[in-house]
Amino acid sequence: DGGITQSPKYLFRKEGQNVTLSCEQNLNHDAMYWYRQDPGQGLRLIYYSQIVNDFQKGDIAEGYSVSREKKESFPLTVTSAQKNPTAFYLCASSTTPQGRREKLFFGSGTQLSVL
Amino acid sequence: SQKIEQNSEALNIQEGKTATLTCNYTNYSPAYLQWYRQDPGRGPVFLLLIRENEKEKRKERLKVTFDTTLKQSLFHITASQPADSATYLCALGSGYALNFGKGTSLLVTP
Repeated sequence: DGGITQSPKYLFRKEGQNVTLSCEQNLNHDAMYWYRQDPGQGLRLIYYSQIVNDFQKGDIAEGYSVSREKKESFPLTVTSAQKNPTAFYLCASSTTPQGRREKLFFGSGTQLSVL
Repeated sequence: SQKIEQNSEALNIQEGKTATLTCNYTNYSPAYLQWYRQDPGRGPVFLLLIRENEKEKRKERLKVTFDTTLKQSLFHITASQPADSATYLCALGSGYALNFGKGTSLLVTP
């Protein structure tokens, strides 16, 4: 079945540690996105990528980094510079980069917590 | 600044009734508006997209209206069922990505 796979489902980070969240899609979508969701809050855009080897910062990119070396993969690294990383992280994709008029397909999310 | 506002209070209704959720926005001129459903611990799932020149759109028991003058969208679920209980998110485009409201929690009781 086609879809987006995020792993792990749960992740714990120690202080000063970088952690990487995986996102893989087999939908052949050009565009991919990372959102962060805090309890009772809306989704906030961290980074997005319209095409391989290209990505742009979203509204809250500080403390995060991404890469897009392959069309199907868009990993997110939460660096030690992100002082409040505890949140639910969602990866999404769309057929074209025109996210406004394209529906997003979401993964099942990664819950990141700080030890 | 751009804002997307949805009812923060949970909506509790009885099975069989119509649920109506509201999405208001400011400082957007959206050509499209989308609605998603999110269950606890899961990613959102796309439900409907409505264009600015469409006043209303339907899909099975779902109906969405889009009033660009009032800057408001209404999302209706008719003949609601307990399985409709979830959080519903409104989303508008900004640049190449979507911005989401905080969502409204719907609880349908038997």
